[in-house]
Amino acid sequence: EAGVAQSPRYKIIEKRQSVAFWCNPISGHATLYWYQQILGQGPKLLIQFQNNGVVDDSQLPKDRFSAERLKGVDSTLKIQPAKLEDSAVYLCASSSSVGGQAYGYTFGSGTRLTVV
Amino acid sequence: RKEVEQDPGPFNVPEGATVAFNCTYSNSASQSFFWYRQDCRKEPKLLMSVYSSGNEDGRFTAQLNRASQYISLLIRDSKLSDSATYLCVVNMFRASKIIFGSGTRLSIRP
Repeated sequence: EAGVAQSPRYKIIEKRQSVAFWCNPISGHATLYWYQQILGQGPKLLIQFQNNGVVDDSQLPKDRFSAERLKGVDSTLKIQPAKLEDSAVYLCASSSSVGGQAYGYTFGSGTRLTVV
Repeated sequence: RKEVEQDPGPFNVPEGATVAFNCTYSNSASQSFFWYRQDCRKEPKLLMSVYSSGNEDGRFTAQLNRASQYISLLIRDSKLSDSATYLCVVNMFRASKIIFGSGTRLSIRP
């Protein structure tokens, strides 16, 4: 089974610029998550989709972050404008059910963002 | 208080040793629990689920104590390849929330 695909792997931008990340979940997985992982910390949930609807975006900084999942498959996460503190790895994960059963909760390899 | 707390370590133990980590959670509505392993500059990968009755997978044993609200991971006969960060994950179905701990760093020395 193909895994969760993310791109790009790395991105370096200047503060106040915009950036977008893309995620393609495992085929058939209805639930998609975006996490932010700052160095030395555990992943923090930014947003959770169930199909193309938002389940939880309580920790998404909505003044600068946005995410969409059109057609309930691929998803994009955008930051506009970026700040230095946004430097982190952005992980996408998908699962086959709301809440994430262990066997169906898989991470992509992440996008490492550096804001300078 | 954080919803999920772990000792950040690092734990530095010799090869062959037994090492144990704990993870505490604050919300009694938490319903399922997992341990994930994360290698340096890699994504987290599922290590094992944690069941009330305790479960074992080779050298790894996970246990859940709902009364005291903690889960544990025991690694026996540790190998160099066990060096990684171990993340505790708590899942609350009703709230549709999945929360990661900050991770415990383990380093196995020869």
